[in-house]
Amino acid sequence: GAGVSQSPSNKVTEKGKDVELRCDPISGHTALYWYRQSLGQGLEFLIYFQGNSAPDKSGLPSDRFSAERTGGSVSTLTIQRTQQEDSAVYLCASSAMGSQYFGPGTRLTVL
Amino acid sequence: GQQVMQIPQYQHVQEGEDFTTYCNSSTTLSNIQWYKQRPGGHPVFLIQLVKSGEVKKQKRLTFQFGEAKKNSSLHITATQTTDVGTYFCAGRPNDYKLSFGAGTTVTVRA
Repeated sequence: GAGVSQSPSNKVTEKGKDVELRCDPISGHTALYWYRQSLGQGLEFLIYFQGNSAPDKSGLPSDRFSAERTGGSVSTLTIQRTQQEDSAVYLCASSAMGSQYFGPGTRLTVL
Repeated sequence: GQQVMQIPQYQHVQEGEDFTTYCNSSTTLSNIQWYKQRPGGHPVFLIQLVKSGEVKKQKRLTFQFGEAKKNSSLHITATQTTDVGTYFCAGRPNDYKLSFGAGTTVTVRA
């Protein structure tokens, strides 16, 4: 079975542009998390989806960040009007029985 | 704010020596998980502890969950170069979402 996949693996964009990052979780996993990891830093929680419940958006750093999870499966993280400080690796993880399975991440570079 | 604290932030170890990294929470945790992230990689699940005072071993790694379920430790014996990476603990306060510590980054001197 496939693990968590993310696309694109790398994204370079210009300041002010919008970007969309995609996460395909493991089939059947009801929980999905987005994290951000800057170089050499820990995991910064962004947003949490659990089943059909309203998502926990408490970690989103600003209103430029939003995420959707369609049909309880694929998730898209959107960053509008990107800033240089948004440069980081964005990690997605899905979970079924507690432990989280991480995708390889999307490395975002904002020039 | 961060609910799970991890110390030390960095651990420089001579190959063959032992070391321990610690994870502390201000609130009781329903469980604690440990992950390892190799340089350039993504976090990979190592283990989950659920019971008070639980101890689990994976080869040279020993994981412990405190009696009060507020702290945990990871002890590595006879460190090898393959142990290089960042070790994260993650706790679930009050059965809510997982909260990650900042991680302990381990480097090994051959």
